[in-house]
Amino acid sequence: DAKTTQPNSMESNEEEPVHLPCNHSTISGTDYIHWYRQLPSQGPEYVIHGLTSNVNNRMASLAIAEDRKSSTLILHRATLRDAAVYYCILRDNNQGGKLIFGQGTELSVKP
Amino acid sequence: GAVVSQHPSRVICKSGTSVKIECRSLDFQATTMFWYRQFPKQSLMLMATSNEGSKATYEQGVEKDKFLINHASLTLSTLTVTSAHPEDSSFYICSVGQFEDTQYFGPGTRLTVL
Repeated sequence: DAKTTQPNSMESNEEEPVHLPCNHSTISGTDYIHWYRQLPSQGPEYVIHGLTSNVNNRMASLAIAEDRKSSTLILHRATLRDAAVYYCILRDNNQGGKLIFGQGTELSVKP
Repeated sequence: GAVVSQHPSRVICKSGTSVKIECRSLDFQATTMFWYRQFPKQSLMLMATSNEGSKATYEQGVEKDKFLINHASLTLSTLTVTSAHPEDSSFYICSVGQFEDTQYFGPGTRLTVL
């Protein structure tokens, strides 16, 4: 499985934008880039995913580099409820769609 | 998105007993469900892929005789931890795949083996 690299932790101030980076230099053409987040003692929650083009939804935006070797999850205005571990995952739908989680980035949000 | 429930949310058992964890897809017929476990301060580790009406596919290093998976219907998959020991204490999470795009996760079951 292709691997992703994320910073172990990041800190943000409430109501400010947050840019969470992810490197995936060995990404293949069929890999989708998925982001999930996990609050303490809960199951992960889907955030966003994309293949080549930038994506926006009500939770976040996903900016994908032109060579697809990196991506950035953007939270436009961080809230205290956004404090979580954010996982960047490459998913190959040709392999049953299973998700292989890396270590993720623990985001803390200061009031 | 799909709504996934797990039961129980928390279980404490004695060493040597077996524990069954249920995963239900409440509003989506799931031919495939996934089982993960997570130790404290660690990431999720995929244990197995549960396929409705057929045998589960286990990830390398996961003992299939230890972790029995049954996916008898499109809305229910069960994970049985047989002869549980303290090292099996963990947070067990299931997920349901929808439209081959996103997965929706259950709230997790915290197993403590004394």
